[in-house]
Amino acid sequence: EAAVTQSPRSKVAVTGGKVTLSCHQTNNHDYMYWYRQDTGHGLRLIHYSYVADSTEKGDIPDGYKASRPSQENFSLILELASLSQTAVYFCASSGDWGSQNTLYFGAGTRLSVL
Amino acid sequence: GDSVTQTEGLVTLTEGLPVMLNCTYQTIYSNPFLFWYVHYLNESPRLLLKSSTDNKRTEHQGFHATLHKSSSSFHLQKSSAQLSDSALYYCALSVNVGDNSKLIWGLGTSLVVNP
Repeated sequence: EAAVTQSPRSKVAVTGGKVTLSCHQTNNHDYMYWYRQDTGHGLRLIHYSYVADSTEKGDIPDGYKASRPSQENFSLILELASLSQTAVYFCASSGDWGSQNTLYFGAGTRLSVL
Repeated sequence: GDSVTQTEGLVTLTEGLPVMLNCTYQTIYSNPFLFWYVHYLNESPRLLLKSSTDNKRTEHQGFHATLHKSSSSFHLQKSSAQLSDSALYYCALSVNVGDNSKLIWGLGTSLVVNP
């Protein structure tokens, strides 16, 4: 069974503070993704990566950075957290970027920025 | 551009009634791959079913969907709703663009099944 683990599961941050969300996968997948989920907006892609030490911008990268230090780990970094970044964040992995490939999601991180 | 439309943000049903969640898509690419993902509360979103074959019914866990390229639709159906079907359902479209692929998500439909 594919496994994607996110930490922390929830976090409260202060406006202007730095937040790091971590993701670890044991699927041996090359591709990893960070999405945010907001009511009325569905799932939106923030950053993704297809190889260690390289990341790519998704559809809404502003205000976020990503880091892929190894195949297994992919972090999302909010250098200066803002109220608008309150959301649920999901990490996912897939074996390929091909159109038929299934995404395997983590359980999500609920971030509240106050 | 490419897009996925899920017309209902919320569907409320009584247990035992049939389920139909709408999904239509737009793409200029000829070989779309369509997915339904389900997100139960406090769990990870996961794949429910997927298809790229025109007019072929795909089934999983009591749900089924048929890709109709003529109408650009991939509606999710179930004959009889159960309380445990209450969840958020996402339709997604994937297309190959050169050497890469794009995944486009619908906004999701929240299904609430009441006793």
